[in-house]
Amino acid sequence: SQQGEEDPQALSIQEGENATMNCSYKTSINNLQWYRQNSGRGLVHLILIRSNEREKHSGRLRVTLDTSKKSSSLLITASRAADTASYFCAGRPSGSARQLTFGSGTQLTVLP
Amino acid sequence: ETGVTQSPTHLIKTRGQQVTLRCSSQSGHNTVSWYQQALGQGPQFIFQYYREEENGRGNFPPRFSGLQFPNYSSELNVNALELDDSALYLCASSSSSGGDEQYFGPGTRLTVT
Repeated sequence: SQQGEEDPQALSIQEGENATMNCSYKTSINNLQWYRQNSGRGLVHLILIRSNEREKHSGRLRVTLDTSKKSSSLLITASRAADTASYFCAGRPSGSARQLTFGSGTQLTVLP
Repeated sequence: ETGVTQSPTHLIKTRGQQVTLRCSSQSGHNTVSWYQQALGQGPQFIFQYYREEENGRGNFPPRFSGLQFPNYSSELNVNALELDDSALYLCASSSSSGGDEQYFGPGTRLTVT
């Protein structure tokens, strides 16, 4: 079963615009991570936010976490065509051994 | 590139057959996790190996089994293949002494006909 649900399922924007993806999850987590996947390939780790953090930045990425609402958001600023990919949130459930439970993903298309 | 490799890249099998997928972890990583990703879905956790022992398992039947070797590489075996086993199989390595980030290989695309 999927831990999280991303919203929207698909997002299409123009190059230079910002892209925001949301993730909701069901159970308590130690941390929440965001991964990127280019079509049919392996996943690439983008950023990790711990359960005691509220916001984190990395380059053009900004992640927020609201544990009371069991939700997270990923903001990509000044998007580029190369950002076109699927984006997944993944939670490490509390007490679990480093396994990740993924959401169903947001397909982001950045138009040049 | 993460340094995690998987073989083969693609595989076509017939229902009822058995398959073995292989994964070499990133240097310095002692933990390997396997995930199944159906088309249009997020990856689903199959199991994890640490120090050659299974260290957590998702909701997959016993016909999904694995091994981890002393060099931390790993195999995923699936017996009695079913059509629904068609998916991208991903392995990910991590270090027990590091953070929770996992480093994924490019995956093996399995098609069961």
